[in-house]
Amino acid sequence: NAGVTQTPKFQVLKTGQSMTLQCAQDMNHEYMSWYRQDPGMGLRLIHYSVGAGITDQGEVPNGYNVSRSTTEDFPLRLLSAAPSQTSVYFCASSPGTANTGELFFGEGSRLTVL
Amino acid sequence: GENVEQHPSTLSVQEGDSAVIKCTYSDSASNYFPWYKQELGKRPQLIIDIRSNVGEKKDQRIAVTLNKTAKHFSLHITETQPEDSAVYFCAAMNYGGSQGNLIFGKGTKLSVKP
Repeated sequence: NAGVTQTPKFQVLKTGQSMTLQCAQDMNHEYMSWYRQDPGMGLRLIHYSVGAGITDQGEVPNGYNVSRSTTEDFPLRLLSAAPSQTSVYFCASSPGTANTGELFFGEGSRLTVL
Repeated sequence: GENVEQHPSTLSVQEGDSAVIKCTYSDSASNYFPWYKQELGKRPQLIIDIRSNVGEKKDQRIAVTLNKTAKHFSLHITETQPEDSAVYFCAAMNYGGSQGNLIFGKGTKLSVKP
């Protein structure tokens, strides 16, 4: 199993541009989530999904959209990037039909918005 | 919602000494408390966890204690080694609840000096 795969690993955007961070897992996990990591701020939950067709907001959802059309994929969309969205983004999944608390993280995507 | 406070933000110890990281949580419904370790440039990984029906759990050189009444839990690392140098995150969640998401503390950067 590849686990949780994120692409791209690095991305530079200009303010106002849009992009999608891809996340895929091959462990048949129902629960998937997106976190952002900023210095001194820990890991903050952006959006999460408990299964295909179901998404919900986390702690810091503004400026981000998600969808979950399949169990495997959970893309994160930035519709109009802002410098405040410069961060490292982690996708994570958890076994079972709900978050068991044991998160399997992807390698992260470092996004810089100029 | 849940709020997790973590202290200290940085910790420096000599190799062989013990290290203690403390966290407090706000939601009395939280019942699952994992600890994640993130080495420089890597993804966070689960190292130990504890559920609310247990007061202490050990795994070789690491242990976690939980005080439900005071709503705080701690990570203890004994006989520290240079490879223990990393950022450690505590987290809390209501496992089985309708909002079963992990809320993380802001992290502790542990440096072990050889």
